[in-house]
Amino acid sequence: AQTVTQSQPEMSVQEAETVTLSCTYDTSENNYYLFWYKQPPSRQMILVIRQEAYKQQNATENRFSVNFQKAAKSFSLKISDSQLGDTAMYFCAFMLLSGGYQKVTFGTGTKLQVIP
Amino acid sequence: DTEVTQTPKHLVMGMTNKKSLKCEQHMGHRAMYWYKQKAKKPPELMFVYSYEKLSINESVPSRFSPECPNSSLLNLHLHALQPEDSALYLCASSQGGRGSGGYDTQYFGPGTRLTVL
Repeated sequence: AQTVTQSQPEMSVQEAETVTLSCTYDTSENNYYLFWYKQPPSRQMILVIRQEAYKQQNATENRFSVNFQKAAKSFSLKISDSQLGDTAMYFCAFMLLSGGYQKVTFGTGTKLQVIP
Repeated sequence: DTEVTQTPKHLVMGMTNKKSLKCEQHMGHRAMYWYKQKAKKPPELMFVYSYEKLSINESVPSRFSPECPNSSLLNLHLHALQPEDSALYLCASSQGGRGSGGYDTQYFGPGTRLTVL
C-alpha cells in the first residue's frame, strides 16, 4: 500500500514571501504521478501542479514549482510571491494505476495561511 | 471548461431517510469518482466508475449505492445512514479509465456537505 506523509499540519507565510510545503511518500512502484491540490475554505479541490515520476525535470506552474526527488521519495511544493488567495489546505496526492484504474492516495494536508 | 458540478450543496437527513447526491460533468470524461472527506481529513476514495461501469468499490457499506446513468452523470443514493456518515462528499472526473493510458488529472466538484441526524 502507498502512504503519503505531510509533516507540517499548519504553516504561515507573509504575503509576497516564499514558502515550501513538504511531502514524502512510500511506494515500491516505479510508474506513478504526484499532485498537489489546493482546497480553499470554500472547499472545492483545485489542481495546483502535477509531476510524472518518469520525468526528472521538476514541474512548474507560474508561482508554483515542485522539487521532486524520486530516490528520496520526496515531493515538495514551493510557492513564490505568496498571495492572500493562496490561503488554503494543500494536499499532496499519489496516483497509481490499479487494474487499469486510478487510485489516488492523499496526504493529511497542510493548512497554509498567508498573512497580509 | 474543467467544471464538475454537485447538487445539493448541503443536505440534512435523518437515519430513516432516502436521499441522493448528484454529480455532473460535461468535459467528455469517462471516469468518475466518489470520495468521502471528514473534517480536517484527506478525501478517501469510495467508488470509481469507468465507461459507466463500476470499477472500484472500496468496501463501502451498502447503505451507499452509486449509479452512473450516463457518461455525464453520477449519483450516490443514500439510505439508512448513520451519524458517522456525516461528511463532505466529493465527486471527481478524469478523462478516461482503463485503456486510456490512465494517468489523467482528476477534477473535483465543490462537494455536498451531508449531515445525518
